[in-house]
Amino acid sequence: DAGVIQSPRHEVTEMGQEVTLRCKPISGHNSLFWYRQTMMRGLELLIYFNNNVPIDDSGMPEDRFSAKMPNASFSTLKIQPSEPRDSAVYFCASSSNTGRRSPLHFGNGTRLTVT
Amino acid sequence: AQKITQTQPGMFVQEKEAVTLDCTYDTSDQSYGLFWYKQPSSGEMIFLIYQGSYDEQNATEGRYSLNFQKARKSANLVISASQLGDSAMYFCAMREGGDQFYFGTGTSLTVIP
Repeated sequence: DAGVIQSPRHEVTEMGQEVTLRCKPISGHNSLFWYRQTMMRGLELLIYFNNNVPIDDSGMPEDRFSAKMPNASFSTLKIQPSEPRDSAVYFCASSSNTGRRSPLHFGNGTRLTVT
Repeated sequence: AQKITQTQPGMFVQEKEAVTLDCTYDTSDQSYGLFWYKQPSSGEMIFLIYQGSYDEQNATEGRYSLNFQKARKSANLVISASQLGDSAMYFCAMREGGDQFYFGTGTSLTVIP
């Protein structure tokens, strides 16, 4: 089991640039979550998908953020245009939704720095 | 109201001693799951232990155990025989009827040699 795979591990970009974060969930998992973690705000849920369909995107900060899940094995989180306040660690996580027993499995995160 | 409350921002424990990290939760569901995660300084989120709302026994996984008190809505993590490698942030989480997971703000544990 390869686990949840995120890329890139680190991203440094200038304000105004487009940033795309990628995630491959664990095979067979049908729920996928994007989280953002900062010192100030802790762990925040941005959006989650169930069977590739966005279920709750109320955590997406603003229109600059968008997420897609075109198929069961791939998701992207895009920020356009990026701003310094978007600097954070972005986690992708997946879970089986066969019951409340199933834990979230996290990727290693993408550390984004916007200068 | 907060779904998950962790009231201890930071904790210290002597190596080889036991430590309890507190977690209380708020839900009106009868069926839910409770989870603990460890986040070391390297940043990854590691799943430690699970407790189901209908489980009669407290969950245990090696040196980790979960002190589940349903009536008090608490799910405290107990780490026995602390090791230096246990120094990390610890997050309590809950999953209710849907897919949504709710996380607490975390407790930073430092193990003192």
